[in-house]
Amino acid sequence: DVKVTQSSRYLVKRTGEKVFLECVQDMDHENMFWYRQDPGLGLRLIYFSYDVKMKEKGDIPEGYSVSREKKERFSLILESASTNQTSMYLCASSPGSLRTYNEQFFGPGTRLTVL
Amino acid sequence: AQRVTQPEKLLSVFKGAPVELKCNYSYSGSPELFWYVQYSRQRLQLLLRHISRESIKGFTADLNKGETSFHLKKPFAQEEDSAMYYCALSGRNFNKFYFGSGTKLNVKP
Repeated sequence: DVKVTQSSRYLVKRTGEKVFLECVQDMDHENMFWYRQDPGLGLRLIYFSYDVKMKEKGDIPEGYSVSREKKERFSLILESASTNQTSMYLCASSPGSLRTYNEQFFGPGTRLTVL
Repeated sequence: AQRVTQPEKLLSVFKGAPVELKCNYSYSGSPELFWYVQYSRQRLQLLLRHISRESIKGFTADLNKGETSFHLKKPFAQEEDSAMYYCALSGRNFNKFYFGSGTKLNVKP
């Protein structure tokens, strides 16, 4: 079974704090993704990575950065948290273009509240 | 531009009634289409993909390239089908996924 784990289920931070969300997958997947999930807006892609140290902006990268130093780990960083970044954050991984099987596997999510 | 549209935010049906969740897409090329489901307090998970042409939990979805649609259907809804459903599209490069805004299905007893 693919396991995608996220470091926290719930997180409360103050405006201006630097926030780190960690994601780890154990299936040797090339691709990893960070999404925001908001009611009525669905899943919006923040950043994705298709290899170690490689990243691409998604649809809403402003206010976020990412880091992928190891294949299994993908971190989302909020440089200076703001209240409009209060949301559910989902991490996902997928095998990548060298595989024949395509599916995204999701973590349980981190509910971030910025006060 | 790639886009996935789910026109209904909320769909309420009675138990035993047929259900159809709509999904339309735009993509220049041959996409791969998926339905994902999120039950209450559970993680998002794959329900079915168009390549497999299989029925999962009684749900089926047919890719209609002419109408660029991938509607999800079930002939007799069950209460346990109540969940959030997302239609998604992936290009042949197996990298990015594009998700719709989701439809919340509520099956009433």
